[in-house]
Amino acid sequence: DAGITQSPRHKVTETGTPVTLRCHQTENHRYMYWYRQDPGHGLRLIHYSYGVKDTDKGEVSDGYSVSRSKTEDFLLTLESATSSQTSVYFCATNGGANTGELFFGEGSRLTVL
Amino acid sequence: SQKIEQNSEALNIQEGKTATLTCNYTNYSPAYLQWYRQDPGRGPVFLLLIRENEKEKRKERLKVTFDTTLKQSLFHITAAQPADSATYLCALVPLFSGGYNKLIFGAGTRLAVHP
Repeated sequence: DAGITQSPRHKVTETGTPVTLRCHQTENHRYMYWYRQDPGHGLRLIHYSYGVKDTDKGEVSDGYSVSRSKTEDFLLTLESATSSQTSVYFCATNGGANTGELFFGEGSRLTVL
Repeated sequence: SQKIEQNSEALNIQEGKTATLTCNYTNYSPAYLQWYRQDPGRGPVFLLLIRENEKEKRKERLKVTFDTTLKQSLFHITAAQPADSATYLCALVPLFSGGYNKLIFGAGTRLAVHP
């Protein structure tokens, strides 16, 4: 299994505060992704990275920014958290194999009050 | 609009029977389609991939079919066991989506296998 660690695993914060979620991988995978998962919705892509310092927006990127300064770390930042950003956030990686298989972390549950 | 639909209602079956889960998509032309398993409080785990030029794929007790005419994939678990109880997610990558393996997911179907 790909070694993907997300931190924090649980966080409660207040509206308007900044929040950063961290994803760390030990597999040297080139591609990294942040998804959010909400009841009744599939996993929705927020941002993704195709290399160090190379990132792009996904389907639901408003209110989120990302950074990737090292291959192993992909940070997701909510500059000013809102209640609509209460969700479970999953980081995933892909080594660029033709299968497109994603390896997921265990998730970070964020509650914005 | 583009959609991936999976049954939102849970599928309940008896142990030993075959479970069949459905994934329908509209307005996509998938390059390939994948199935994942997700247990409560855990991240999804990859199970199988099927390409747009393939009709069927098997792995142990799992079988996936892909009908691009019907725009549908079926996921079968034969001789289902209680340990197979989980939520199963369908995901696809559209053709000409620019690469980077940006998967689009359905909401998943929960399977409960009863002893």
